[in-house]
Amino acid sequence: AQSVTQLDSHVSVSEGTPVLLRCNYSSSYSPSLFWYVQHPNKGLQLLLKYTSAATLVKGINGFEAEFKKSETSFHLTKPSAHMSDAAEYFCVVSGVYNQGGKLIFGQGTELSVKP
Amino acid sequence: EAGVVQSPRYKIIEKKQPVAFWCNPISGHNTLYWYRQNLGQGPELLIRYENEEAVDDSQLPKDRFSAERLKGVDSTLKIQPAELGDSAVYLCASSFHRDSAGGEQYFGPGTRLTVT
Repeated sequence: AQSVTQLDSHVSVSEGTPVLLRCNYSSSYSPSLFWYVQHPNKGLQLLLKYTSAATLVKGINGFEAEFKKSETSFHLTKPSAHMSDAAEYFCVVSGVYNQGGKLIFGQGTELSVKP
Repeated sequence: EAGVVQSPRYKIIEKKQPVAFWCNPISGHNTLYWYRQNLGQGPELLIRYENEEAVDDSQLPKDRFSAERLKGVDSTLKIQPAELGDSAVYLCASSFHRDSAGGEQYFGPGTRLTVT
């Protein structure tokens, strides 16, 4: 069975400093992994996805994530935080083929950005 | 292009009352998902439709929850009767491909249900 663990429930950074949101996954198969962002009162938005191509994945708004099979990790990073990055971030693994695209979400990491 | 539309955005009901949520997916998306998101947690899948067929409803509490997607387009999720523990945000999502290994599920803003 697949699962994801987000190692921090809350991360606080200052504007202009780097962001690191940590995610470990568990999968019996070669996984598809994603990061989604949820701003208050808005729908979930796909930030980036890994689907067995390049291990360093670039997403929207300057975010990127690196797939590390040896560490079963898929951490999300951004070189310089912006106030608008404050939101809830979810690490997600896709279910195996016979689960038809079922997404399994982590518990979420709330990112706060201080001025 | 319009996104996934959900209504109502907020709903407050007393326990034991019925409630229904409506979702209109992105035009052309044949796969539709209903998720429930409890406070402080990630969304969990309730049911997945391929066109009008419910192909995965294993997580749907069938004693009180029901869903339909009669014409393979918009969908309704119903709870009858509601319980206090049903308070959550109900999210609808849609995608073009069944497998959706690309993760391209598009989410609506959700309906926040409060049961008192």
